[in-house]
Amino acid sequence: DAGVTQSPTHLIKTRGQHVTLRCSPISGHKSVSWYQQVLGQGPQFIFQYYEKEERGRGNFPDRFSARQFPNYSSELNVNALLLGDSALYLCASSLAGAGGVNTEAFFGQGTRLTVV
Amino acid sequence: AQSVSQHNHHVILSEAASLELGCNYSYGGTVNLFWYVQYPGQHLQLLLKYFSGDPLVKGIKGFEAEFIKSKFSFNLRKPSVQWSDTAEYFCAVKGRGSSASKIIFGSGTRLSIRP
Repeated sequence: DAGVTQSPTHLIKTRGQHVTLRCSPISGHKSVSWYQQVLGQGPQFIFQYYEKEERGRGNFPDRFSARQFPNYSSELNVNALLLGDSALYLCASSLAGAGGVNTEAFFGQGTRLTVV
Repeated sequence: AQSVSQHNHHVILSEAASLELGCNYSYGGTVNLFWYVQYPGQHLQLLLKYFSGDPLVKGIKGFEAEFIKSKFSFNLRKPSVQWSDTAEYFCAVKGRGSSASKIIFGSGTRLSIRP
């Protein structure tokens, strides 16, 4: 069984550019969440989508946006990139959405974004 | 405020030593608790989880954790570590309310095992 897949694995962008990261959840999972992991820190929640609707948003600026498609895959978009956006971006999928009891999240390998 | 605190940033042990990594959380409400592990170059993997019931939970690779509700703690233990346990360990909490959508992670503990 394929796990959570993310693309690309690595990316280098210049300040001010825009980036799109992609995630395919585990088959049958309808919930996708995005996390940012800065070096030396734990992952920080950015968004959760369930059944193509946003169910949660973390404390990130409006430059960050996301969407979920009918096949439950998801994109994370970041506009006007800053040096501080350099991080590992993780996608997680789970069966249930917000408030789902006894659900666990499965993480992808992540996309390493470097902004120069 | 919702938060997870991991007391040790970097722990260095010799093989066969016993391990205990501390984790305390702050969250108003019923929670699910997790320990994730991130081996070098690999993705986050679930080590163990607590949803309800027996507060002593066993995970993969000989790890266990004990949920002490009165102390808001969920410490990770292993009686005898191996070199292959070298990794970053993250404690995490998730609420079980209808609006709880995010997992809150601690800052992680880097575990280095001397062969």
